[in-house]
Amino acid sequence: GQSLEQPSEVTAVEGAIVQINCTYQTSGFYGLSWYQQHDGGAPTFLSYNALDGLEETGRFSSFLSRSDSYGYLLLQELQMKDSASYFCAVRDFYGGATNKLIFGTGTLLAVQP
Amino acid sequence: DVKVTQSSRYLVKRTGEKVFLECVQDMDHENMFWYRQDPGLGLRLIYFSYDVKMKEKGDIPEGYSVSREKKERFSLILESASTNQTSMYLCASSASTGGNEQYFGPGTRLTVT
Repeated sequence: GQSLEQPSEVTAVEGAIVQINCTYQTSGFYGLSWYQQHDGGAPTFLSYNALDGLEETGRFSSFLSRSDSYGYLLLQELQMKDSASYFCAVRDFYGGATNKLIFGTGTLLAVQP
Repeated sequence: DVKVTQSSRYLVKRTGEKVFLECVQDMDHENMFWYRQDPGLGLRLIYFSYDVKMKEKGDIPEGYSVSREKKERFSLILESASTNQTSMYLCASSASTGGNEQYFGPGTRLTVT
């Protein structure tokens, strides 16, 4: 089967750094994405890694190791507004250029004052 | 600004009713997706479409059908609603290029009684 494993919950304090891990086991792999979803809101795209290494976008960074089937999302200088659920997603190849995604079950991040 | 809209934010239906959930995107995207989101299960793909009148089953298509008559509109149909279809339904779209970024609508919380 296909699965993505993430911790269900993570708690951190304002100003700290937190890392959310994702390990995947999928039949195909064409990239690892991260999405953020605030309570009651729609998921929004954060980052994408197709190749090994670190991608940085402001306070957020995402890392991928294809040999380990592993990635993580790193959030720095945490703010209260970062409290949300974070989902990793693997791009699975359907055909042509369709980017079908397989999502993990999500990590609920709680940022405390 | 990109936009995906869904016909209803909240919907209450009775068991056995036929239910239509509508999704419209204004980004001229080729791909459209329907997910359901349940606590602890993440986002699960129901159906997707990569072109007008084209559809493919996702991971949990049973009890659902879809229709895509126009590029901007993707409908999810519950032929005979059941209580186990009570869930949050999310529509998303993506371009055929652009990799892993999907744009999500605000969701429809469907309750079947």
